Amino acid sequence: KAGVTQTPRYLIKTRGQQVTLSCSPISGHRSVSWYQQTPGQGLQFLFEYFSETQRNKGNFPGRFSGRQFSNSRSEMNVSTLELGDSALYLCASKWRRVGDTQYFGPGTRLTVL
Amino acid sequence: TQLLEQSPQFLSIQEGENLTVYCNSSSVFSSLQWYRQEPGEGPVLLVTVVTGGEVKKLKRLTFQFGDARKDSSLHITAAQPGDTGLYLCAGAGNYGQNFVFGPGTRLSVLP
Repeated sequence: KAGVTQTPRYLIKTRGQQVTLSCSPISGHRSVSWYQQTPGQGLQFLFEYFSETQRNKGNFPGRFSGRQFSNSRSEMNVSTLELGDSALYLCASKWRRVGDTQYFGPGTRLTVL
Repeated sequence: TQLLEQSPQFLSIQEGENLTVYCNSSSVFSSLQWYRQEPGEGPVLLVTVVTGGEVKKLKRLTFQFGDARKDSSLHITAAQPGDTGLYLCAGAGNYGQNFVFGPGTRLSVLP
């Protein structure tokens, strides 16, 4: 069974631009969560989508948004990029319940110049 | 907001040594997970503990959940270079919230 895939793996943008990251979950998994990982703040929860609906949301500004498609694939978008948005963005999928084991993808390394 | 602290932040040891890393909080968690993350990869789940006082063993790794479900420890016996990585603990609250992650312990095992 293929794991969680994320594209692109690396991305360089400049301040003010916007970016879209993509995540394909493990086949059969209906929940996709997004996390931001930085050296200073660690791994922080952004949001979770289940059956195309946002089920949980972390404490991030509205510049961070996401969506999920009917095939469970998910995208997250960051608008008006700031230097502090430079981070590893991780996607994790799980079957359906909050307590189910989640499997992480390799992440997208975003650098904002 | 439930916060997790991990100690030590960094640990560098020689192959064959034993070590323990800690995960602490002032909050009670319904369950707690330990992950290992290697460079360029996402975290990989090692174990989930759900009962206060629970001890789980995974080969050379021993995980313990505190009686009050506020803390946990990970003990590695006879560490090997392959154990090198970032060890993260993550706790889940009682009301269906997603897991909150600690800042991690970065372990380096030297051959």
